[in-house]
Amino acid sequence: EDQVTQSPEALRLQEGESSSLNCSYTVSGLRGLFWYRQDPGKGPEFLFTLYSAGEEKEKERLKATLTKKESFLHITAPKPEDSATYLCAVQSSGGSYIPTFGRGTSLIVHP
Amino acid sequence: KAGVTQTPRYLIKTRGQQVTLSCSPISGHRSVSWYQQTPGQGLQFLFEYFSETQRNKGNFPGRFSGRQFSNSRSEMNVSTLELGDSALYLCASSQIAGDLNIQYFGAGTRLSVL
Repeated sequence: EDQVTQSPEALRLQEGESSSLNCSYTVSGLRGLFWYRQDPGKGPEFLFTLYSAGEEKEKERLKATLTKKESFLHITAPKPEDSATYLCAVQSSGGSYIPTFGRGTSLIVHP
Repeated sequence: KAGVTQTPRYLIKTRGQQVTLSCSPISGHRSVSWYQQTPGQGLQFLFEYFSETQRNKGNFPGRFSGRQFSNSRSEMNVSTLELGDSALYLCASSQIAGDLNIQYFGAGTRLSVL
């Protein structure tokens, strides 16, 4: 059974204080790892797909990296508008196509 | 290109009633999945429809059902509502290119059961 664990559950940062969110996963074979951003009361917004260990993707202040067991979402010099819940999901190869989601990291960036 | 549209955005029902939620996927997307999201359980998969057929099903009771129409629009129904059904219900559509399932979510329907 695929498993995704995200840490920390909650993170408070000062504006400009860089940090990383962790997504540890267990999957029989990785087809893809996804990062989403979710604002309160809204649906998750797709950010990145990572396919293989060593891969990196960037978008504005966000950079996602992937190893064989975990993924990191690095946030550089965050701003208050980066405050949201960040969700990680994995899709296994040869499976049902349905991703398994972690419970997310709630990020608050104080001005 | 229009995103995933869910209606209604908010619903208030009482225990024992039934409810129908609607989802219009992104044009060209044939897969529609439904999720229940609560603070305690996170995102839990309900079911997935592809070309009007339920292809995958999560671990929810039979009170939760769904269907998909020929235009890929989907509905989910919850019968005999319970207090614990209060949640944000999310619909996601995807194209599944090369067996990779990148899902795009709607804004959700917030269901409150009193």
